Amino acid sequence: AQTVTQSQPEMSVQEAETVTLSCTYDTSESDYYLFWYKQPPSRQMILVIRQEAYKQQNATENRFSVNFQKAAKSFSLKISDSQLGDAAMYFCASQGGSEKLVFGKGTKLTVNP
Amino acid sequence: DTGVSQNPRHKITKRGQNVTFRCDPISEHNRLYWYRQTLGQGPEFLTYFQNEAQLEKSRLLSDRFSAERPKGSFSTLEIQRTEQGDSAMYLCASSLGAPNEQFFGPGTRLTVL
Repeated sequence: AQTVTQSQPEMSVQEAETVTLSCTYDTSESDYYLFWYKQPPSRQMILVIRQEAYKQQNATENRFSVNFQKAAKSFSLKISDSQLGDAAMYFCASQGGSEKLVFGKGTKLTVNP
Repeated sequence: DTGVSQNPRHKITKRGQNVTFRCDPISEHNRLYWYRQTLGQGPEFLTYFQNEAQLEKSRLLSDRFSAERPKGSFSTLEIQRTEQGDSAMYLCASSLGAPNEQFFGPGTRLTVL
């Protein structure tokens, strides 16, 4: 069984600053994928970034990057130059051995102007 | 085709009534997923289809829940004899299959009185 843990229920960051959201996971699969999804208030969930477990290089998408530590089963999200539009719930998710996504409980990110 | 659509967006019902939700996926996507999200939690997987075949069901999907995807296009999720514990946001997603991105719809918020 897969589990995903997000230990930070809430985080805040000043506009233009950098913030890191934490995620740990557990899986018995050798081949799996990790995701960060963003859910803005009253809006649908969208994919922020994806990491293939077999790739050693950390994924990056513009201001978003991950720190993937496979041995530690850690998958944190770094948001650089935070913008007001980054305010949302962020969910870490894993996928492996099945097509279903297993989500963490989420981290609510507040961006202060 | 602008994305995954779900109807209705909101549903209020009385305990014991039956409800049905509809999901229209992105047209070329052959995978369709249902998730349930309760307040303060991440989405939990319910079931998924590849074309018209239902390939996996969660233990969360009790006998009162049934999902169909006739002709491999839209899908319906029916809940019979609703209970207050069924109150949640029901999310639909579609994809071209793992490890491709799952695109989420806006969800149907169910309130059982």
